[in-house]
Amino acid sequence: DTAVSQTPKYLVTQMGNDKSIKCEQNLGHDTMYWYKQDSKKFLKIMFSYNNKELIINETVPNRFSPKSPDKAHLNLHINSLELGDSAVYFCASSNNWGGGSLNEQFFGPGTRLTVL
Amino acid sequence: SQKIEQNSEALNIQEGKTATLTCNYTNYSPAYLQWYRQDPGRGPVFLLLIRENEKEKRKERLKVTFDTTLKQSLFHITASQPADSATYLCALDMRAGTASKLTFGTGTRLQVTL
Repeated sequence: DTAVSQTPKYLVTQMGNDKSIKCEQNLGHDTMYWYKQDSKKFLKIMFSYNNKELIINETVPNRFSPKSPDKAHLNLHINSLELGDSAVYFCASSNNWGGGSLNEQFFGPGTRLTVL
Repeated sequence: SQKIEQNSEALNIQEGKTATLTCNYTNYSPAYLQWYRQDPGRGPVFLLLIRENEKEKRKERLKVTFDTTLKQSLFHITASQPADSATYLCALDMRAGTASKLTFGTGTRLQVTL
């Protein structure tokens, strides 16, 4: 009964490869997010989807493309991987903006991506 | 753009004492401010949320204050325990359409010793 799950947990790959990370939530939330946490542990929003619609799109290279097949899933595809893409990627979900504790975000366990 | 600073990268305190963590931000005040806990190798876990018109919020041994004049939030853990050792993140919570856009601080690593 995991709330937000991600696969894989670890991903080691060569520069130039293309890879995908998958995320699923069983909380019934309409909004999902992707975050990147770098080596200094700084956590930064990348994208947000609401019911399959892109809501937040931060300054992220267009090598990163999120895809939401349905509101319970948000995948992240990365093309032409670079050394600087090495980080931990977290998926999260929440209710729609409604204020108060409804804004609480539930995070997945993270995917540690290492680009060699 | 918004800049968020949390006091010191690491804070060491003795068991039983009160830990006080600081979150300072520049520019505009958010509608809400959230605090999360992150353990090594895990995702952040929500702790508390405080609204801009609230001065204080409590949950068990946790207390959060929010001063929009000072542009500061304080996070207190009373009667701290070794199990409270973790990294604590503050996040400014702004509405982005139907989503809640969180801008996180750098985090404070708390170590509670016996």
